Amino acid sequence: TQLLEQSPQFLSIQEGENLTVYCNSSSVFSSLQWYRQEPGEGPVLLVTVVTGGEVKKLKRLTFQFGDARKDSSLHITAAQPGDTGLYLCAGIRGSNYKLTFGKGTLLTVNP
Amino acid sequence: SQTIHQWPATLVQPVGSPLSLECTVEGTSNPNLYWYRQAAGRGLQLLFYSVGIGQISSEVPQNLSASRPQDRQFILSSKKLLLSDSGFYLCAWSGLAGALSYNEQFFGPGTRLTVL
Repeated sequence: TQLLEQSPQFLSIQEGENLTVYCNSSSVFSSLQWYRQEPGEGPVLLVTVVTGGEVKKLKRLTFQFGDARKDSSLHITAAQPGDTGLYLCAGIRGSNYKLTFGKGTLLTVNP
Repeated sequence: SQTIHQWPATLVQPVGSPLSLECTVEGTSNPNLYWYRQAAGRGLQLLFYSVGIGQISSEVPQNLSASRPQDRQFILSSKKLLLSDSGFYLCAWSGLAGALSYNEQFFGPGTRLTVL
């Protein structure tokens, strides 16, 4: 059983479109992180959310943490080819610092 | 600023051979260190983590072991590699540095291991 479910698994869109990807769980997380990974490289941290209902913006990316701290979403406005990559969510439960990762959403933005 | 290094970047090894992957962190002290394996470019599986020198916790029973001989050095080893050990190995660190907390993990560039 996957603790963090990400959807969709694959997403292919045209440049300029908007998209939302989801990260869901039945468990409560004390914090949740979003990473982007390009082929052959390590994941790069995009954002950390810690408060239920929190919304953070990073240029065209908007991250939201659910009120109950069980789920999160990432919305990209006017996607660009440079947004292509594997988007991973990962969460920490309780007071330990071990991250649990979802399987990721592989996004392709076509020019 | 903090940086994390991994080497080698790629490795091709025969079944039954030993393995040693190294990870070092610069610019921080007393970091938590982590080894992950990523299969087929998807989710990451935590293999080992360490909160201090000589302190290693194993998450998954397997053919691998980890050691932390120095504060900012983390080593992943095997005595005899299996075909199933192939994958992308990532080292990460977390810690108190500037505005950072132990919540955030920062990853190295990874090592692509192919066992033939």
